Amino acid sequence: DVKVTQSSRYLVKRTGEKVFLECVQDMDHENMFWYRQDPGLGLRLIYFSYDVKMKEKGDIPEGYSVSREKKERFSLILESASTNQTSMYLCASTGFLWNSPLHFGNGTRLTVT
Amino acid sequence: QKEVEQNSGPLSVPEGAIASLNCTYSDRGSQSFFWYRQYSGKSPELIMSIYSNGDKEDGRFTAQLNKASQYVSLLIRDSQPSDSATYLCAVTPRGNEKLTFGTGTRLTIIP
Repeated sequence: DVKVTQSSRYLVKRTGEKVFLECVQDMDHENMFWYRQDPGLGLRLIYFSYDVKMKEKGDIPEGYSVSREKKERFSLILESASTNQTSMYLCASTGFLWNSPLHFGNGTRLTVT
Repeated sequence: QKEVEQNSGPLSVPEGAIASLNCTYSDRGSQSFFWYRQYSGKSPELIMSIYSNGDKEDGRFTAQLNKASQYVSLLIRDSQPSDSATYLCAVTPRGNEKLTFGTGTRLTIIP
């Protein structure tokens, strides 16, 4: 079974802090994704990566950056956290084929105060 | 027009009945279709995938795809209270190569 692990289940940060969300997958997947999910807005893609050191912006990249130094790890960085970044963050991975399903981590509930 | 549309619900169905969830998509060339179930506070989990026209059955779940009419549906037979969740439809549009999600339908099974 594919396992996607997000480092924190709950996180509380202050406005202006730099925040790191970590995600690790154990299936040697090329493609990894970061989404945020908010009530009524569904899943929105922030960034994705199709290979080590490769990244592409999703639909809502503003205020975020990412890092993928190793194939199994994909990090989401909030350079200066703001209250409107309070959300559920979901990491996902999939294999080489783009039409393969996504496998999600357990999510990180981030609250910025 | 949204790329993937679902009725947000809530959809209430009596226990033991058939729950029918619908999803329409805008890109006629879309190739892959998925249904995810998401319990409150949890992450989405894949329950069905379908790639060609017709029906695909897996236990109590049946996915139906009609590419000509651009809709995909999920039927849940013999609904159980444990089926109460939000169901997300996801589609891979042609030329995009990234899954696009609908906003989900909240299903409640009434005992």
